[in-house]
Amino acid sequence: KNEVEQSPQNLTAQEGEFITINCSYSVGISALHWLQQHPGGGIVSLFMLSSGKKKHGRLIATINIQEKHSSLHITASHPRDSAVYICAVPNSGGGADGLTFGKGTHLIIQP
Amino acid sequence: DAGVIQSPRHEVTEMGQEVTLRCKPISGHNSLFWYRQTMMRGLELLIYFNNNVPIDDSGMPEDRFSAKMPNASFSTLKIQPSEPRDSAVYFCASSLRTGTSGTQYFGPGTRLTVL
Repeated sequence: KNEVEQSPQNLTAQEGEFITINCSYSVGISALHWLQQHPGGGIVSLFMLSSGKKKHGRLIATINIQEKHSSLHITASHPRDSAVYICAVPNSGGGADGLTFGKGTHLIIQP
Repeated sequence: DAGVIQSPRHEVTEMGQEVTLRCKPISGHNSLFWYRQTMMRGLELLIYFNNNVPIDDSGMPEDRFSAKMPNASFSTLKIQPSEPRDSAVYFCASSLRTGTSGTQYFGPGTRLTVL
């Protein structure tokens, strides 16, 4: 089964700072998911990526398949970015598996 | 589209009672997932269905848990009998693509409290 490590567990930053959240996994995968969980509890899928880089607004996700590592970046961070960010990978790497989740990174952006 | 719909949003029950959680996936989606989230263990996959067929139920904790998907627009997760340690938020998600290779859309969750 895939093991997922996220870092940092908690991150507090000032508005406008560049944010990086890291995710490492143990078994090669077909795709990695980044999720955002709002303070109210709702979960939104941010990205699903299998190679390279994806960008959506101020959010950028990158993945290095060889190193089994992905990063989520937030540029010009804003208090509304405060949330828990969770990465998830297939249990044993393939697309037919269920997902294994990281413990999440609790991000707080202070005004 | 209304998104993934879950009911009830909150459920409080007593130990030993049967609990049934309901999910309506997004129309046209082919995969449905049930997750549980607790403070201690985070998010965990319980079971997922492709085209109404259970594919991976290795996350179902024990025989007290069962899930069904009688048609493409409805799924249930049942706990019988319920125990206090089942208290958690249960999320349902659906995806257009089968398996975990597609973007998943999450419902608002059902917060279950077992007294």
